Amino acid sequence: DAGVIQSPRHEVTEMGQEVTLRCKPISGHDYLFWYRQTMMRGLELLIYFNNNVPIDDSGMPEDRFSAKMPNASFSTLKIQPSEPRDSAVYFCASSPTGFDYGYTFGSGTRLTVV
Amino acid sequence: KQEVTQIPAALSVPEGENLVLNCSFTDSAIYNLQWFRQDPGKGLTSLLLIQSSQREQTSGRLNASLDKSSGRSTLYIAASQPGDSATYLCAVHSGTYKYIFGTGTRLKVLA
Repeated sequence: DAGVIQSPRHEVTEMGQEVTLRCKPISGHDYLFWYRQTMMRGLELLIYFNNNVPIDDSGMPEDRFSAKMPNASFSTLKIQPSEPRDSAVYFCASSPTGFDYGYTFGSGTRLTVV
Repeated sequence: KQEVTQIPAALSVPEGENLVLNCSFTDSAIYNLQWFRQDPGKGLTSLLLIQSSQREQTSGRLNASLDKSSGRSTLYIAASQPGDSATYLCAVHSGTYKYIFGTGTRLKVLA
């Protein structure tokens, strides 16, 4: 298995532009998580899905952020409009039901908003 | 609300030393605890996963212990090497299908 795949690896965009981050979880994993990592706040859970359904989006910072999971093999995190304070590394992770195997993380997308 | 703390925030040791990284959590009703390693600019790599019914897990030079009653886990690294230099994160799963992460310990092993 190729693991959790995220794209792009790096994204630089101008303030006000729309940004879309992508994630492909490990096949057979029922749970998908989006985290954001910054120096100041560490790793923060933004949203997670179970069987493609959003379960908890309480970590989404504001309405500019949205996430979708149209099928079991693909998820997107969208920021519209982007702001400099959104600059961070965004990680996607997946897990099978039961959590006996814990999380598997993707390599992350480093977002810079200028 | 579960809170996870890691001490120290940073650690620098000479090569060959045995060392212990600490992780504390406020709610002892956990499902499991996972230790991760993160290299600069990289993602998180899972090192060890301890279920709530277990006391410790071992992988090579790494040993993680769990004491739920005291809200503590330790990661023991034997005979440290420069290649062990990284940030080590612990994450606690409290049964709500999400992990709460500590802020990490940044380890530097000097050759």
